[in-house]
Amino acid sequence: QLQLQESGPGLVKPSETLSLTCTVSGGSISSSSYYWGWIRQPPGKGLEWIGNIYYSGSTYYNPSLKSRVTISADTSKNQFSLKVTSVTAADTAVYYCARQPMIIRGGEDSWGQGTLVTVSS
Amino acid sequence: QSVLTQPPSASGTPGQRVAISCSGSSSNIGGNYVYWYQQFPGTAPKLLLYKNNQRPSGVPDRFSGSKSGTSASLAISGLRSEDEADYYCAAWDDSLSGWVFGGGTKLTVL
Repeated sequence: QLQLQESGPGLVKPSETLSLTCTVSGGSISSSSYYWGWIRQPPGKGLEWIGNIYYSGSTYYNPSLKSRVTISADTSKNQFSLKVTSVTAADTAVYYCARQPMIIRGGEDSWGQGTLVTVSS
Repeated sequence: QSVLTQPPSASGTPGQRVAISCSGSSSNIGGNYVYWYQQFPGTAPKLLLYKNNQRPSGVPDRFSGSKSGTSASLAISGLRSEDEADYYCAAWDDSLSGWVFGGGTKLTVL
C-alpha cells in the first residue's frame, strides 16, 4: 500500500524559504512509471499544481511559480522535497505531495494527507 | 482564474442524477486525459475517475465520466447525502507543460 507523508515547518516568516519533505513508503520514487509532485490549496480555495520530478531528475514547474520553486529527490531515503523561496502570505496553504501518472499512459494517482503551512511573522 | 472552468456550485435531491461540467481547450482536455477528484472538508482530495472515465477500486459505479472535444463531465447517479463535497477536474496542459485544475464545484444534496 503506497503511502506519502508530508513533513516540515508549519510556520514560515515572510521573505524566508518554505521547505517540505515527502516520505514515500510502499513504493519507490525510482520507479520510471510515475512522477512525484506537489500540489497546494490555499484556505477556502481550489487546487494549484506546483510541480513534479521524474526518477531521472527531470523537473516540471508551474510557470507562475517557477522562479521560486525547486523540487529535488533523495532516492537513498525514498524522499522528495519542495523549496519555495521569498514566501508571502499568498503562499499560505495546505501542501500535498502526490504520486502522479505518466501523461501519455495515464493512471491512478495517490496523495498524502497534506500539511498546512502558514506564512506569518 | 482557473485554466479549466467548472460551475462553482451544483445541487440535487437524493436519488437524482447530477452532472458537473469541466471546460478546457485543445491543449489540455482536448488532447489529454481528464481526472476527477472528490474532497470533503479538512481532507485530501480523493481520486474519483482517471483517464476520463476509469474508476479506481472502491469507487461506486454511480460515478461516471465522459469527454467530448475540449469538455468533460462528471455524472453522479442515485445521489446520496454523503456525496455532498467539492469536486475538481484536472488535466495535463501541453502549452503550460503542467497539470491544471478546475476551480472546483461544491455539490449540495438538498
